[in-house]
Amino acid sequence: KAGVTQTPRYLIKTRGQQVTLSCSPISGHRSVSWYQQTPGQGLQFLFEYFSETQRNKGNFPGRFSGRQFSNSRSEMNVSTLELGDSALYLCASSLGPLETQYFGPGTRLLVL
Amino acid sequence: GQQLNQSPQSMFIQEGEDVSMNCTSSSIFNTWLWYKQDPGEGPVLLIALYKAGELTSNGRLTAQFGITRKDSFLNISASIPSDVGIYFCAGPPRLLSYQGGSEKLVFGKGTKLTVNP
Repeated sequence: KAGVTQTPRYLIKTRGQQVTLSCSPISGHRSVSWYQQTPGQGLQFLFEYFSETQRNKGNFPGRFSGRQFSNSRSEMNVSTLELGDSALYLCASSLGPLETQYFGPGTRLLVL
Repeated sequence: GQQLNQSPQSMFIQEGEDVSMNCTSSSIFNTWLWYKQDPGEGPVLLIALYKAGELTSNGRLTAQFGITRKDSFLNISASIPSDVGIYFCAGPPRLLSYQGGSEKLVFGKGTKLTVNP
């Protein structure tokens, strides 16, 4: 069974731009969560989607948004990029919201 | 919010040595997870613990769910070079997660392990 896939793997943007990251969960998994990982703050929860509905949201500004499609694939969007948004963005999928999460390889975003 | 304190922050050991790391919280966790992350990759689940006092092994790895439900330990025996990486403890922070509350994971800051051949 294929694991969680994330595209693109690497991305370079400039301040003020927006970016969309994509995540395809493990087949059969309906819950998708997004995390931001930085050297200073570590792994921080962004949001969680299940059945196309956002269930939980972490403490991030409104510039960070996401959505989930009927096939459970998810996208996250960051608008008006700031230098501090440079990070590894990780997607994790699980069968359901209470099940163990499995992570993808991440998208490394660099904001210049 | 709930936080996980993980120690040590880093370890430098010789191949063949045993390794111990731990994770503590001021709040109760119902589940403890241990992940390993290699450079440029996402965390990979190593061991999941679901019951206080539970001791679970995965090859050379052994993890325990503390009796108080506020701590967990990970031990690696006879370390090898491929054990290098960052080890994270994690858990869902809400006690009553079945109520549909926050099932997100809270992570420790990680223990960076270096194994010298």
